[in-house]
Amino acid sequence: RKEVEQDPGPFNVPEGATVAFNCTYSNSASQSFFWYRQDCRKEPKLLMSVYSSGNEDGRFTAQLNRASQYISLLIRDSKLSDSATYLCVVNQPSGSARQLTFGSGTQLTVLP
Amino acid sequence: DTGVSQDPRHKITKRGQNVTFRCDPISEHNRLYWYRQTLGQGPEFLTYFQNEAQLEKSRLLSDRFSAERPKGSFSTLEIQRTEQGDSAMYLCASSLDSGTQPQHFGDGTRLSIL
Repeated sequence: RKEVEQDPGPFNVPEGATVAFNCTYSNSASQSFFWYRQDCRKEPKLLMSVYSSGNEDGRFTAQLNRASQYISLLIRDSKLSDSATYLCVVNQPSGSARQLTFGSGTQLTVLP
Repeated sequence: DTGVSQDPRHKITKRGQNVTFRCDPISEHNRLYWYRQTLGQGPEFLTYFQNEAQLEKSRLLSDRFSAERPKGSFSTLEIQRTEQGDSAMYLCASSLDSGTQPQHFGDGTRLSIL
């Protein structure tokens, strides 16, 4: 089983749609969670951290379910500029030198 | 620009040659990481430094790979006797001194082995 698993997509949605991505992680002791966004042939950029209580940043909402080891990202009122690959990222537990494990990414295309 | 910078952006070389990449992290970040990314995959961890100390190397980092961060600032990643399977994007990231801090990535060096 992969340490971080995501549905690779692609998700093709019309502008204005709401879209949700899911991610599961295998290590129950993981402590920090992030969503990164990566445009084609560019570097990953931090989209948002994911907090235990869930958090929102504009049109983006992230949620964490520790019991199910599950993270989600919801994008409302999607824009053409949201087209990218969204990477679910989980850190390793304290004491492990390795820091972050990335999922393979979910590809989103927002269509006009 | 005070972000993470990497050089070169692209490198094309013949199989068997040695290549070296450079990464300059965000100045106040004492952690520096190297990742490798191939098409359709997320970045895979290679190694990381806290200041000048290299604290872990992934199993992906064969003996042909070596990384240094001699003064705790910039870092170099060298690949000796390159193979076609080394073709990938090599990403550098830096962060503050905590495992919970997000990492900030450079633009990457795209390596193509002919």
